[in-house]
Amino acid sequence: EDKVVQSPLSLVVHEGDTVTLNCSYEVTNFRSLLWYKQEKKAPTFLFMLTSSGIEKKSGRLSSILDKKELSSILNITATQTGDSAIYLCAVGGNKLVFGAGTILRVKS
Amino acid sequence: KAGVTQTPRYLIKTRGQQVTLSCSPISGHRSVSWYQQTPGQGLQFLFEYFSETQRNKGNFPGRFSGRQFSNSRSEMNVSTLELGDSALYLCASSLGWGRQPQHFGDGTRLSIL
Repeated sequence: EDKVVQSPLSLVVHEGDTVTLNCSYEVTNFRSLLWYKQEKKAPTFLFMLTSSGIEKKSGRLSSILDKKELSSILNITATQTGDSAIYLCAVGGNKLVFGAGTILRVKS
Repeated sequence: KAGVTQTPRYLIKTRGQQVTLSCSPISGHRSVSWYQQTPGQGLQFLFEYFSETQRNKGNFPGRFSGRQFSNSRSEMNVSTLELGDSALYLCASSLGWGRQPQHFGDGTRLSIL
């Protein structure tokens, strides 16, 4: 059975800290790994990583895919209170399997 | 460009009733997927529609069904509602079958009394 595991389940940091969120997976038909940010409503797409694109960066956020270790990390530098959210990792081929998410709270 | 639109935003039903949820994808997106999100189970895949045909299905009972229209809009139906069906139902659209990334709507919050 396809499985995606995220860690930690939750963490609390102070503004300005750097955080690293982890995602490991076991799927039978890997084509891509996606990161989403969910605040109160819709998950918002952050990054998509594939065999041909294993590293992505946008502003203070960056992500790396390790296909050998079947894992990915999402880094957020200089965190802000607006980064407080649930970060979801999803992996799949034709359909996505989601992890349980990491709840990030950034304190001012 | 308008995002994924889901209606209604909130619904309250009682056990045994049925419900229909609607999803309009991003313009130009032809694939629509549905997910159920609960605190205990997280985001779980229900099904994906492309070209008016169900292409993938998750592990949900037959009470959960859907369809897609020629304009790519999709509806999801749940019959004989149970208390455990209380959840946030999210719709996501993408350019094509199995194509990523998917973009999500704000969801329909369904509460069963």
